[in-house]
Amino acid sequence: LAKTTQPISMDSYEGQEVNITCSHNNIATNDYITWYQQFPSQGPRFIIQGYKTKVTNEVASLFIPADRKSSTLSLPRVSLSDTAVYYCLVGDRGGSTLGRLYFGRGTQLTVWP
Amino acid sequence: DTEVTQTPKHLVMGMTNKKSLKCEQHMGHRAMYWYKQKAKKPPELMFVYSYEKLSINESVPSRFSPECPNSSLLNLHLHALQPEDSALYLCASSLLPTGNTEAFFGQGTRLTVV
Repeated sequence: LAKTTQPISMDSYEGQEVNITCSHNNIATNDYITWYQQFPSQGPRFIIQGYKTKVTNEVASLFIPADRKSSTLSLPRVSLSDTAVYYCLVGDRGGSTLGRLYFGRGTQLTVWP
Repeated sequence: DTEVTQTPKHLVMGMTNKKSLKCEQHMGHRAMYWYKQKAKKPPELMFVYSYEKLSINESVPSRFSPECPNSSLLNLHLHALQPEDSALYLCASSLLPTGNTEAFFGQGTRLTVV
């Protein structure tokens, strides 16, 4: 089971770029890396997913080095509404028909005006 | 429709009560999940249903009983709960029961056991 390690908290100011790094040293060959965002008293929301190199969508970029032992979520020009907990997950296939989504401790991002 | 709908949003129950949490999705997803989340903690996986069959039970006490009546519905039956079971209960679904697919989460049911 791939375990993830993230910083517990980060602070930023509006308009800045934020990079949150996640370590996953024992990631398996077939595992993807997925990031979720969660606001208080709401369910997590999918942000981005990738396997290697770089993935970009309308809200974030995900950078994955060649060894895949870490990944970095990049949020461009954050706003106050980006204050949330960000979770990095590594998919555990657990067999052809089993699936587990395990959440690590997450990173509390606080954006200040 | 990309929603996972959970009802009720809030529930207060006594330790001798029996209640049920409901979860519904109409995205054709074949995997559904129950999570428990305590304040300021990450969601903890409880159960996974794969193609309407229970595939994972993370050693959850028997006072929590999941049920998947069909591919769109997931229930969590509660009986004889303890105050420490008070938490946000999250339901999620994904297209396939693997860790490599995007999961959609409901807004959760805030459960208080008194």
